[in-house]
Amino acid sequence: KQEVTQIPAALSVPEGENLVLNCSFTDSAIYNLQWFRQDPGKGLTSLLLIQSSQREQTSGRLNASLDKSSGRSTLYIAASQPGDSATYLCAVEYGNKLVFGAGTILRVKS
Amino acid sequence: EPEVTQTPSHQVTQMGQEVILRCVPISNHLYFYWYRQILGQKVEFLVSFYNNEISEKSEIFDDQFSVERPDGSNFTLKIRSTKLEDSAMYFCASRLGLAGGPDRNTQYFGPGTRLTVL
Repeated sequence: KQEVTQIPAALSVPEGENLVLNCSFTDSAIYNLQWFRQDPGKGLTSLLLIQSSQREQTSGRLNASLDKSSGRSTLYIAASQPGDSATYLCAVEYGNKLVFGAGTILRVKS
Repeated sequence: EPEVTQTPSHQVTQMGQEVILRCVPISNHLYFYWYRQILGQKVEFLVSFYNNEISEKSEIFDDQFSVERPDGSNFTLKIRSTKLEDSAMYFCASRLGLAGGPDRNTQYFGPGTRLTVL
């Protein structure tokens, strides 16, 4: 069964701290891996997509890595800000669908 | 910037009634999706749609569900006879697909329709 797990479930950090969110997946036959941000009661905003052939992808203060063989991805957020507070979702693409993790709830304190 | 739109933002219906959730994907995208998120749970895949037909569906997407692209812009999800357990946020997504650049594989999500079944 294709499952995606995210740890930690919740994280609270002071402003300015660098942090790492973790994602693991059971089936390594992935097409792509996408990281999303979800604000309470809102839709999903795409942050980064890593293709299965890539190891890393960067966008501003965000850096995502992918190790397909070990079934892991990390999202690194540099110099966190209160506006980064949200739920971060990892989604793995298999064929024609995304399989989502439960998310990491991030709170950045000012 | 182009975005996926969904209407209505909130729909309340009685159990057993039919509902149609509407989506306008990004205009040049080729692949369309529906997902749902029950309150407090993971986002779950329902169905993917390409070239006017379903390309994949989940176990959730039973005979009570159907999708349609009635014209060149809309993509709809119909639930024929709603149940209490259909209460959820329903998200539409679209993807550019094969004929695009590096961004072609990114799925873009709409803001969602909150469906409440009483």
